[in-house]
Amino acid sequence: GQNIDQPTEMTATEGAIVQINCTYQTSGFNGLFWYQQHAGEAPTFLSYNVLDGLEEKGRFSSFLSRSKGYSYLLLKELQMKDSASYLCAVRDSNYQLIWGAGTKLIIKP
Amino acid sequence: IAGITQAPTSQILAAGRRMTLRCTQDMRHNAMYWYRQDLGLGLRLIHYSNTAGTTGKGEVPDGYSVSRANTDDFPLTLASAVPSQTSVYFCASSDVQDTGELFFGEGSRLTVL
Repeated sequence: GQNIDQPTEMTATEGAIVQINCTYQTSGFNGLFWYQQHAGEAPTFLSYNVLDGLEEKGRFSSFLSRSKGYSYLLLKELQMKDSASYLCAVRDSNYQLIWGAGTKLIIKP
Repeated sequence: IAGITQAPTSQILAAGRRMTLRCTQDMRHNAMYWYRQDLGLGLRLIHYSNTAGTTGKGEVPDGYSVSRANTDDFPLTLASAVPSQTSVYFCASSDVQDTGELFFGEGSRLTVL
């Protein structure tokens, strides 16, 4: 079966760095996405990786290792507004997205 | 402002009633999707449409139907609602010629009693 694993919840301090991991087992691979979802709101796109390596976008970076079935989202200089759920999703060989359950990130002052 | 509009944003429904959730996008995206999101579970695909006139079943299609008469609209119908269909429903669209990033509507919170 297809599976995406990510931690259920993480806590970090304002101004610090946090890494959210995602491991996947899917039928084929055509890209990995990270989305941010604030409570009661819709998911919004953060990043897309299709090749191995690190993609940096401001305070957020996303890393992919296809051979290990592994990705992480790195958030630097954490702000209170970063408190949200972070969703990992993999596009499989049929170009369908398989979603993880999300990681709830709690930022403390 | 371009985007996806869902209606209603919230609805309480008696079991056995018929309900249609509306979704409209103005980005001219070919692909559209309906997901449900339940606590502790990832987004689960109900139905999708890769282009106007075609639809396909996702992971959890039972009890739901969709139509795609044109590019912009993708309504989701619950023919006879049951309590297990209580959920938050998200409509999304994507331009499959690009990365395939999904753009989501604001969601429709449905409670079936």
